[in-house]
Amino acid sequence: AQTVTQSQPEMSVQEAETVTLSCTYDTSESDYYLFWYKQPPSRQMILVIRQEAYKQQNATENRFSVNFQKAAKSFSLKISDSQLGDAAMYFCAYRRRNNAGNMLTFGGGTRLMVKP
Amino acid sequence: SAVISQKPSRDICQRGTSLTIQCQVDSQVTMMFWYRQQPGQSLTLIATANQGSEATYESGFVIDKFPISRPNLTFSTLTVSNMSPEDSSIYLCSVAQPGGPQHFGDGTRLSIL
Repeated sequence: AQTVTQSQPEMSVQEAETVTLSCTYDTSESDYYLFWYKQPPSRQMILVIRQEAYKQQNATENRFSVNFQKAAKSFSLKISDSQLGDAAMYFCAYRRRNNAGNMLTFGGGTRLMVKP
Repeated sequence: SAVISQKPSRDICQRGTSLTIQCQVDSQVTMMFWYRQQPGQSLTLIATANQGSEATYESGFVIDKFPISRPNLTFSTLTVSNMSPEDSSIYLCSVAQPGGPQHFGDGTRLSIL
């Protein structure tokens, strides 16, 4: 079974600085997707970024980028120029590519605090 | 991405009662999912609800406790039956097209007294 581990329960960053959130996963599959979701206090889960395992290039979405290390099964999220609105819970998630059920496996989450 | 509306957004209920949560999507979607998020925890999948078939429940969740309906491609309901304080959680629905990412509703915060 796949597992997703986020080893940092809480992180804090100064506004305008950069922070990296860690995620590791365990799978025997070679083709899969990885996701980062953000959950602010409003509760809605917002898709931040996704990575396809067969792509070597790291995904980037504006201030959000990932460092995907397939051999190490590591998928960290870098937030540049942190803003107060980035404060939220961040969840890393995994899905097998050939998974008709689209089922996600979530990590335990990292609470990010942004200091003004 | 699809706009997903959940109702109610929050509720406080008495133990032993039941509550039905609605999930409405503004476009047709193949797959809908129901999750539970207990306080301070990550998300746990309750069941997958695809239109035209019975919901598929994950280990630890049963239809008698969490009956689900999926009458069409834009709507689903989750009922939390015979509630106890342990059912106090956020319940989230999500939607996806085959091969696509899941998108989530705002969640329903449920408290049982």
